Amino acid sequence: QTVVTQEPSLTVSPGGTVTLTCASSTGAVTSGYYPNWFQQKPGQAPRALIYSTSNKHSWTPARFSGSLLGGKAALTLSGVQPEDEAEYYCLLYYGGAQLVFGGGTKLTVL
Amino acid sequence: QLQLQESGSGLVKPSQTLSLTCAVSGGSISSGGYSWSWIRQPPGKGLEWIGYIYHSGSTYYNPSLKSRVTISVDRSKNQFSLKLSSVTAADTAVYYCARGSWSLERDMTLFGLDVWGKGTTVTVSS
Repeated sequence: QTVVTQEPSLTVSPGGTVTLTCASSTGAVTSGYYPNWFQQKPGQAPRALIYSTSNKHSWTPARFSGSLLGGKAALTLSGVQPEDEAEYYCLLYYGGAQLVFGGGTKLTVL
Repeated sequence: QLQLQESGSGLVKPSQTLSLTCAVSGGSISSGGYSWSWIRQPPGKGLEWIGYIYHSGSTYYNPSLKSRVTISVDRSKNQFSLKLSSVTAADTAVYYCARGSWSLERDMTLFGLDVWGKGTTVTVSS
């Protein structure tokens, strides 16, 4: 049973910078896992932010960036806005064409 | 632009089969380079991938649900469907459909779940 682990919760001040991470129970996350990141606000469907590690969708604000950091996938928010308060999920693609979501990180802007 | 809309039975009795459909508009489900996924989210919990189907008809399922899941495509109606059999209360969730996009950019293969439906709530109860 593959497990993808994220920080359960993080708090950041407005205007600050925060990094969320995404780890795999199978070992280091690489670009071959095509890491995706999603933002979900209460009562809404998830919205795609980042695909394949660091690629932004046309609608992704510039303050969001993706990378690989210390064997994990990472999502960094720079210049955090109050509207960035949300749940963030990562998604990894595994051999056998399986997809696994992380448990989510609740980001509080305070 | 591409839009996805889930529909189906909102209330299902235990042991019965859950059936949902995702209508695709603004694009063809038969276009190459795409997969069509189902994802669910139990109340207050995280996202769980259920499975997906390629335009070719190939399917891939979450191993934990594989014995109960069938995903199919109806190209004439530009939609794809989910059937989940022998449901229990644990299958109560918001069910989302989503498109997976494969692309080649700068000699690199890229993948993303880029377009999502708004979701539909399914409750399993007698």
